Amino acid sequence: NAGVTQTPKFQVLKTGQSMTLQCAQDMNHNSMYWYRQDPGMGLRLIYYSASEGTTDKGEVPNGYNVSRLNKREFSLRLESAAPSQTSVYFCASTFTETQYFGPGTRLLVL
Amino acid sequence: KNEVEQSPQNLTAQEGEFITINCSYSVGISALHWLQQHPGGGIVSLFMLSSGKKKHGRLIATINIQEKHSSLHITASHPRDSAVYICAVRGYGGSQGNLIFGKGTKLSVKP
Repeated sequence: NAGVTQTPKFQVLKTGQSMTLQCAQDMNHNSMYWYRQDPGMGLRLIYYSASEGTTDKGEVPNGYNVSRLNKREFSLRLESAAPSQTSVYFCASTFTETQYFGPGTRLLVL
Repeated sequence: KNEVEQSPQNLTAQEGEFITINCSYSVGISALHWLQQHPGGGIVSLFMLSSGKKKHGRLIATINIQEKHSSLHITASHPRDSAVYICAVRGYGGSQGNLIFGKGTKLSVKP
């Protein structure tokens, strides 16, 4: 089992560019989440998907869109990147309250 | 005021010492999590508590619901325990991953 995988590991964007962060899990979990982690702040929830076909906003959804493509995959899209979106992004899935995190994507927006 | 406060923010210990990290929260919760973030950035789940106490190896987590407080203890600390320890809570009615996170406690254990 690979667990939760994320691509890319690192990305540099210019302001206004778009990109999609990919996340996949092979544990057959229903629930998946996208968080961002910024220096001096705790992890914050961007969007989540309780099951295939459903998505909901978290604490900081502005500037992001998500797609739950199937049970395995949950992608996060930045349509027009801004410097404020410079962060480390973590995808996670849950099973009976245990969180499984991906390795993270470090995003720098110039 | 943050809904989840951790103390201390930074902690340096000598190998073998007993370590305590504290977490206080201000909301009603249905679950509290302790997570470990390795120096390389990866995050792993250590415990989920809704009451009482849990133990796994040298790690012990306790929670006092009335006092809205949880502690994470590490016995016989080792340099490999060096990491950021994160407390997170799930409020009533929230989904399993809809957590409120503390800012973390950075632990450094010196040999």
